[in-house]
Amino acid sequence: GNSVTQMEGPVTLSEEAFLTINCTYTATGYPSLFWYVQYPGEGLQLLLKATKADDKGSNKGFEATYRKETTSFHLEKGSVQVSDSAVYFCALSDPTGSNTGKLIFGQGTTLQVKP
Amino acid sequence: KAGVTQTPRYLIKTRGQQVTLSCSPISGHRSVSWYQQTPGQGLQFLFEYFSETQRNKGNFPGRFSGRQFSNSRSEMNVSTLELGDSALYLCASSSTLGTGELFFGEGSRLTVL
Repeated sequence: GNSVTQMEGPVTLSEEAFLTINCTYTATGYPSLFWYVQYPGEGLQLLLKATKADDKGSNKGFEATYRKETTSFHLEKGSVQVSDSAVYFCALSDPTGSNTGKLIFGQGTTLQVKP
Repeated sequence: KAGVTQTPRYLIKTRGQQVTLSCSPISGHRSVSWYQQTPGQGLQFLFEYFSETQRNKGNFPGRFSGRQFSNSRSEMNVSTLELGDSALYLCASSSTLGTGELFFGEGSRLTVL
């Protein structure tokens, strides 16, 4: 079945360090891929998305490239800030194109950035 | 523009009881989805509604049900509560179907004793 696997956390970095959070997926068909972020005490927010192979999604300094050959969608940021501390979720949409809003989420990766 | 509003934010129930959670989507959004979030299982899709019709349902027992009203507000109900139903229940709305661009509320945290 369709699934998403994220690297386990927590990930602890110092401010201005480089961030990579790995995400790989299993899907039949051609899903869209997403990164959502959940700040403490809040709901999830869409961070970025990519809808087809080789697309790069970007927002707030974060980037992720849809790699079909490696079935990956790794999240990167060149210089993290304390305010980036949150839980990050990788997700994919229904790959059959049935026009549903259902998303399949990874387990989430907690990022803690220390000053 | 007001975000997705979920009520109540916190509630405590005992086994065997039932609970109803409410979700008001962003104005103009006609699609509402529900997710259950637990430490062990992560985020799991419950169901999705669009224009008062259930379009998709996750792999949950029949004790979990939902509905959507003509004003797009949605409710979910869990009957005969079990300890394992303790979770954060998240509602998300979307302006269009199939984009995956969901706007989440802060959730309703249910504790079953």
